[in-house]
Amino acid sequence: DVKVTQSSRYLVKRTGEKVFLECVQDMDHENMFWYRQDPGLGLRLIYFSYDVKMKEKGDIPEGYSVSREKKERFSLILESASTNQTSMYLCASSYGSPGETQYFGPGTRLLVL
Amino acid sequence: GQQLNQSPQSMFIQEGEDVSMNCTSSSIFNTWLWYKQDPGEGPVLLIALYKAGELTSNGRLTAQFGITRKDSFLNISASIPSDVGIYFCAGGTGANSKLTFGKGITLSVRP
Repeated sequence: DVKVTQSSRYLVKRTGEKVFLECVQDMDHENMFWYRQDPGLGLRLIYFSYDVKMKEKGDIPEGYSVSREKKERFSLILESASTNQTSMYLCASSYGSPGETQYFGPGTRLLVL
Repeated sequence: GQQLNQSPQSMFIQEGEDVSMNCTSSSIFNTWLWYKQDPGEGPVLLIALYKAGELTSNGRLTAQFGITRKDSFLNISASIPSDVGIYFCAGGTGANSKLTFGKGITLSVRP
């Protein structure tokens, strides 16, 4: 079974803090993705990576950066957290092309005060 | 850009009833996927469809890849309380493109 894990299920941070969200997959998938999920807006792609050290902007990259130093790990960084970044963050991975079936982690619910 | 349409946003059914959900697009897709998200959890893949006209079952779930490649539907038969959650569709067009997701339908099942 594919397993995608995220470092935290719940996080509370203060405005201006630097926030790291970690995602690890154990299936040697090439592609990894970060989404945020907000009520009524569905899943919105922040960044994705199709190889180690490679990254591509998604639909809403502003205020975020990512890092992929190892194939199994994809980090999302909020350089200076703001209240409008309070959301559910979902990591996913897929094998082959970025259009293939994606497998999701359990999500991190982030609250920025 | 491409969009997938799922409506209504919410559905309320009685336990034991069957329910059908559609996902439509103005664009053609080569892959259709259906996910379910339980409250507070990440989406879990239910069914993947790779060929136009394909009909695939997974227990009480049945999904079909529309013949025009612009739609898909998911049927849940004999619903039970644990079917509650958000059901997402997603479409893929192949190499070098990302999945496109619908906004999801929240299903409630009354005992």
